[in-house]
Amino acid sequence: AQSVAQPEDQVNVAEGNPLTVKCTYSVSGNPYLFWYVQYPNRGLQFLLKYITGDNLVKGSYGFEAEFNKSQTSFHLKKPSALVSDSALYFCAVRDFYGGSQGNLIFGKGTKLSVKP
Amino acid sequence: DVKVTQSSRYLVKRTGEKVFLECVQDMDHENMFWYRQDPGLGLRLIYFSYDVKMKEKGDIPEGYSVSREKKERFSLILESASTNQTSMYLCASREQGGIQETQYFGPGTRLLVL
Repeated sequence: AQSVAQPEDQVNVAEGNPLTVKCTYSVSGNPYLFWYVQYPNRGLQFLLKYITGDNLVKGSYGFEAEFNKSQTSFHLKKPSALVSDSALYFCAVRDFYGGSQGNLIFGKGTKLSVKP
Repeated sequence: DVKVTQSSRYLVKRTGEKVFLECVQDMDHENMFWYRQDPGLGLRLIYFSYDVKMKEKGDIPEGYSVSREKKERFSLILESASTNQTSMYLCASREQGGIQETQYFGPGTRLLVL
């Protein structure tokens, strides 16, 4: 079955330090991978995606993610965290071969807390 | 920019009431989706629609139904609300096919069933 895992419920980072939010996936074929961010009491906002091409994908708000096929990972990164980056982050994979008929499968989310 | 709007940000209903959650998108997207979001469970797909008049069950359709009479509007219906349907409901839309693949989300409706 297709799946995506976010192994950390919460990540704490000091402002100015680099941050990483982890995501691993399991799919049958080539994955389409996404990161979304949710600020408090808001809907999800698209950050970036990997479809094909360069393994390093750059997205909104200075975020980037690296697709690693051998480790089946798609970790979200930012060189210098801001307090305003504090939010809930979701990794998602598009499921082409599972029962969801090609729809997105979301991880459970990782809460990022950036302290001043 | 794509805009997805949901009719209510917060809603309080009584057990047994029929509840309508409305979602409208303005980008002529063919695909629309309803999710519910619960702490520790992430987003779970309730229903989706790939075109007008079409609907497909997602992962957790029990207790819900949907309506897609117009392309821009996708309604989620709770036939008889129950307390276990207290949740955050998110609507999303997506352009059919192509390389875009991105789903765009509305602001969410936080539903409390008493």
